Amino acid sequence: DTEVTQTPKHLVMGMTNKKSLKCEQHMGHRAMYWYKQKAKKPPELMFVYSYEKLSINESVPSRFSPECPNSSLLNLHLHALQPEDSALYLCASRNRAGNTEAFFGQGTRLTVV
Amino acid sequence: KQEVTQIPAALSVPEGENLVLNCSFTDSAIYNLQWFRQDPGKGLTSLLLIQSSQREQTSGRLNASLDKSSGRSTLYIAASQPGDSATYLCAVIGSGGYQKVTFGTGTKLQVIP
Repeated sequence: DTEVTQTPKHLVMGMTNKKSLKCEQHMGHRAMYWYKQKAKKPPELMFVYSYEKLSINESVPSRFSPECPNSSLLNLHLHALQPEDSALYLCASRNRAGNTEAFFGQGTRLTVV
Repeated sequence: KQEVTQIPAALSVPEGENLVLNCSFTDSAIYNLQWFRQDPGKGLTSLLLIQSSQREQTSGRLNASLDKSSGRSTLYIAASQPGDSATYLCAVIGSGGYQKVTFGTGTKLQVIP
């Protein structure tokens, strides 16, 4: 199984809502990532988890709250988002050690209304 | 801070042409470099991974090269087809404990039948 599965595929939420994005992988990868991608732009790194601990936060606003409850699962909790947060959110994983490739999920298309 | 640039930003070619996409990065201390394609509104599909110790990698009509010392990689696509139309992204995976994956600016390719 070389898949990274993201749910939901699409999400529409109001600015006062609380929602969560989910990412799952069963490849035994110990590094997991959240990226944000706006239209016609490359993905921008948000967070990196290494061995279930947050190792990078790229100065992301606190309305985005990541969580890594176990080695297979990565969540992104959303609260009080703004319309400009609408984007494609991508999850990735890779083996922490060695020269290994990154595997990406198909993303969650988030629209904030 | 790692900066990754891709040239050209957009490319339109007739079907059957061979073409070269360029990727340059500022910090040569990388683990590896990965090429992706992205169809509009979709996630990322991994094409090729070149490890830092390698100079070249091939998959079908695709050939990628890496010159770490000069901070450059190229993706060569032979006999282009309309199905190759997509945005192509290179990503460098940095050395050190943080395992950052930094994306290039992307090249949007259109292959005209």
